[in-house]
Amino acid sequence: NAGVTQTPKFQVLKTGQSMTLQCAQDMNHEYMSWYRQDPGMGLRLIHYSVGAGITDQGEVPNGYNVSRSTTEDFPLRLLSAAPSQTSVYFCASSSARTGKNYGYTFGSGTRLTVV
Amino acid sequence: GENVEQHPSTLSVQEGDSAVIKCTYSDSASNYFPWYKQELGKRPQLIIDIRSNVGEKKDQRIAVTLNKTAKHFSLHITETQPEDSAVYFCAATSGYSSASKIIFGSGTRLSIRP
Repeated sequence: NAGVTQTPKFQVLKTGQSMTLQCAQDMNHEYMSWYRQDPGMGLRLIHYSVGAGITDQGEVPNGYNVSRSTTEDFPLRLLSAAPSQTSVYFCASSSARTGKNYGYTFGSGTRLTVV
Repeated sequence: GENVEQHPSTLSVQEGDSAVIKCTYSDSASNYFPWYKQELGKRPQLIIDIRSNVGEKKDQRIAVTLNKTAKHFSLHITETQPEDSAVYFCAATSGYSSASKIIFGSGTRLSIRP
């Protein structure tokens, strides 16, 4: 049971490039989310999903796309990278079926730098 | 949508003393309030949570209180230890499912002085 796995751990992009951050969970969680963490700004929700085929926007969705074709995977796509997207990105998953603990389990993060 | 405010942004306490972090939320429909601890360079980890039908919950040295009328909740850490030094985040849900869309506060950096 690996939990929530994010790849890559580090990435440097040039302005205008596109890329996909990968996220996979093996806990059969129905809920998955992407957050970005910037210094002094906490964790801001980018997109979230309540199940396969269902996604919705969070607080800061512009410049990012997501899809949820399977329960396990929730990739985050940067369409045209900008320096303002330099951040640490966390994927997280949870389930209402887990009983007492409804809280998110986070992946280890992806540190993205856009130059 | 939901907005969560957290205070203070930094907190320094003497080892052995208590620490209190306070949060307010805006959406009266929110019903789940988790707290996360993030050590330097690591992922956030859930330390305690509370649901809206409960006013207080305790787990060893940490406790959380919730005042639904005032829309605020607090984290209390007693007998602080050096390993309590970290950034703490409060959060609240604002989605139709309690664990689907969690909005975080901006964090409190807690330092424990020896």
